[in-house]
Amino acid sequence: SQQGEEDPQALSIQEGENATMNCSYKTSINNLQWYRQNSGRGLVHLILIRSNEREKHSGRLRVTLDTSKKSSSLLITASRAADTASYFCATENTGNQFYFGTGTSLTVIP
Amino acid sequence: DTEVTQTPKHLVMGMTNKKSLKCEQHMGHRAMYWYKQKAKKPPELMFVYSYEKLSINESVPSRFSPECPNSSLLNLHLHALQPEDSALYLCASSQADRPYEQYFGPGTRLTVT
Repeated sequence: SQQGEEDPQALSIQEGENATMNCSYKTSINNLQWYRQNSGRGLVHLILIRSNEREKHSGRLRVTLDTSKKSSSLLITASRAADTASYFCATENTGNQFYFGTGTSLTVIP
Repeated sequence: DTEVTQTPKHLVMGMTNKKSLKCEQHMGHRAMYWYKQKAKKPPELMFVYSYEKLSINESVPSRFSPECPNSSLLNLHLHALQPEDSALYLCASSQADRPYEQYFGPGTRLTVT
């Protein structure tokens, strides 16, 4: 079963633009992560944000977390064609259960 | 070595066949996971092994049988599968106390005919 819902389901942008995708979840969490998956391949862990953190940066990635709204966003700045992939949020809830969101399919057009 | 390897990459099997998927990691992780992923869907957790013991079975049909022979290896034995079992099967591993930071293998693309 899955806990998170992501929007948009699909996003298409020009190279150099910023991409923002959102994740909403249902129950209290210990932490939230974002993963990337290239077509038909395994997932790559991008970034983790803990429930007591509000914002985190890693290179061109910026993640925010609003526990009052049970939502998170992933911003990819200055996007590149190589960023084309599916992006999933994943949450570890306070019962130590781990769920993936529905995913956002990002296409960056060169 | 931060790699999780899975074999085979692709597998086509009939509904009466018996086959196995294999997963290996050498990161010293003591938690290993099997996921099933259908096209354009998120991965769905099937099994979790912690310290070589099955800790979570997410109500998976008995035609899927996991095995963890040692701390580096995880197998998924398949028997009498259905066409709807066709999917990408992903293996992952993590430190036992950090299940939120999983390393994934590239997956096995399974087709059941």
